[in-house]
Amino acid sequence: GQQLNQSPQSMFIQEGEDVSMNCTSSSIFNTWLWYKQDPGEGPVLLIALYKAGELTSNGRLTAQFGITRKDSFLNISASIPSDVGIYFCAGQWQGAQKLVFGQGTRLTINP
Amino acid sequence: SAVISQKPSRDICQRGTSLTIQCQVDSQVTMMFWYRQQPGQSLTLIATANQGSEATYESGFVIDKFPISRPNLTFSTLTVSNMSPEDSSIYLCSVAVSWAVSSEQYFGPGTRLTVT
Repeated sequence: GQQLNQSPQSMFIQEGEDVSMNCTSSSIFNTWLWYKQDPGEGPVLLIALYKAGELTSNGRLTAQFGITRKDSFLNISASIPSDVGIYFCAGQWQGAQKLVFGQGTRLTINP
Repeated sequence: SAVISQKPSRDICQRGTSLTIQCQVDSQVTMMFWYRQQPGQSLTLIATANQGSEATYESGFVIDKFPISRPNLTFSTLTVSNMSPEDSSIYLCSVAVSWAVSSEQYFGPGTRLTVT
């Protein structure tokens, strides 16, 4: 099925560094969602975006809904060890409930 | 948000057998979804399950292989039938929680299935 293009696929950073990841699509989405998945767990919703250009923060996390509605990014500031995991973007078309997921970004933090 | 539980959390099954996965939500929801996450991969939607109607399957998934029940607004089951090693995956249920102008999806903890 259709997937979003999420990058990078993996990141290896030092604790305290900032992180940035993004998703792009050929389709226009009405909603962008960002999830984090820890090993052995289901994805946990981090941030939901509903308007083009919207910039939303959740603690050290900031996400933006691209103005073209075809992209979104997620930033994590001052990374800490518990930020380790896999981050997924997901897009939702207008009038639809199903989500389309990106391939995921695996974040590893070196102490 | 919604609190979602799944049973079993994991299982090891022999090929040719079937496994039924249960999903329970702490509140009434209209739409529930079943996803598959193959090892090291992203999530792929199997089907959408609405109470009182037949599930809607995505391309590549069929009812004979993945029958779904949705008897009420807080519960659903997914059966993986006639299993083969290729069915080894994490199976996740999710629910859509709708607000006035938006909706969000929340996921259960997943069922890790290994087929030998």
